[in-house]
Amino acid sequence: GQQLNQSPQSMFIQEGEDVSMNCTSSSIFNTWLWYKQDPGEGPVLLIALYKAGELTSNGRLTAQFGITRKDSFLNISASIPSDVGIYFCAGQLTSGSRLTFGEGTQLTVNP
Amino acid sequence: NAGVMQNPRHLVRRRGQEARLRCSPMKGHSHVYWYRQLPEEGLKFMVYLQKENIIDESGMPKERFSAEFPKEGPSILRIQQVVRGDSAAYFCASSATGGDYGYTFGSGTRLTVV
Repeated sequence: GQQLNQSPQSMFIQEGEDVSMNCTSSSIFNTWLWYKQDPGEGPVLLIALYKAGELTSNGRLTAQFGITRKDSFLNISASIPSDVGIYFCAGQLTSGSRLTFGEGTQLTVNP
Repeated sequence: NAGVMQNPRHLVRRRGQEARLRCSPMKGHSHVYWYRQLPEEGLKFMVYLQKENIIDESGMPKERFSAEFPKEGPSILRIQQVVRGDSAAYFCASSATGGDYGYTFGSGTRLTVV
């Protein structure tokens, strides 16, 4: 089946620093999604990307849909303590179909 | 306008017992998805249901696991004769038409098998 490789597994940064994480896939997806999960909660959608090459921002978050449709990255600028959590990428082939998740990036922000 | 509601939030079962996990989708949503998350891993798709129909169950274990989404009431994920390896967080998500991208997740049910 499809697999997503997400890196890095974990990051420890100082408040104010920028962060970058990425996902690569063995096969193409037509939609890439980035979620954040806080402890004890379900994942919350941050950004959705629908077109190869697309670059989308949501506040301090920027994500890109790779031109090959096999990768995506997420950047967080000027990190703050509430950015702490686990970030997951997910790929989707068609609307309404299953999501394939990466293994997550655990982000720790030191004040 | 409540979100996706899952209950119970925490469930403890002894090996061999049955676990029933409930998911009430957002109002007006008729498509439900179940995912499982093992500790320190990503979510893994289990099953996709529409009212009274199973659309895709390719992620469901062949034995002991079943899911339903009746015409009335919540969707139920049932695990019979639970084993320690079933301990995980189980998440439900819903969408209105099955045509949504990145549907909304509930807060999950944490199942612990002792």
